[in-house]
Amino acid sequence: SAVISQKPSRDICQRGTSLTIQCQVDSQVTMMFWYRQQPGQSLTLIATANQGSEATYESGFVIDKFPISRPNLTFSTLTVSNMSPEDSSIYLCSVSGTENQPQHFGDGTRLSIL
Amino acid sequence: GENVEQHPSTLSVQEGDSAVIKCTYSDSASNYFPWYKQELGKGPQLIIDIRSNVGEKKDQRIAVTLNKTAKHFSLHITETQPEDSAVYFCALRRIDSWGKLQFGAGTQVVVTP
Repeated sequence: SAVISQKPSRDICQRGTSLTIQCQVDSQVTMMFWYRQQPGQSLTLIATANQGSEATYESGFVIDKFPISRPNLTFSTLTVSNMSPEDSSIYLCSVSGTENQPQHFGDGTRLSIL
Repeated sequence: GENVEQHPSTLSVQEGDSAVIKCTYSDSASNYFPWYKQELGKGPQLIIDIRSNVGEKKDQRIAVTLNKTAKHFSLHITETQPEDSAVYFCALRRIDSWGKLQFGAGTQVVVTP
């Protein structure tokens, strides 16, 4: 399966600031997704990162808060904007070759907001 | 969206015993059912998956069974070892979901020596 690298692996940020998380894959993939995992909870899909067009956001998530870029088939970024303590979570990138293939995850970015 | 109910939320087993985790769903359009293992500080790792045209799949000590009629699928781990201790998530995907997964709440498995 693809090797998925996320940066940073963890960060501690001040409220009101923004952080951009990077996801790099070692091979071209059609599908890239961003998930949030709040402490002790399951995974919730934030959005599908579409190459060359705007991301598709799930209910409860908006572009102004979580802008996403996907400039090519191996790279995507998620920005968490104007952070508050409620944004403290693990943010995970996942990929699959096509929409019908298995989905694999990076190790996530552990974000704490003070 | 699709609801996936996962039980139990915690499972403690003696090393060498078997562990079973069950997930139920309601949407008949679900056609793909993966299981993930998440260790502390890591991302979820795909350990086994099954498609709706198959009833059972096995990979060494891990097996998944699917009952489409009753709308449930289960993960079976035999001969458990301490390294099987982790959080396990079931998930599913609808046929028309463009790859999107819906996850269960997770099961904390603790294997005691």
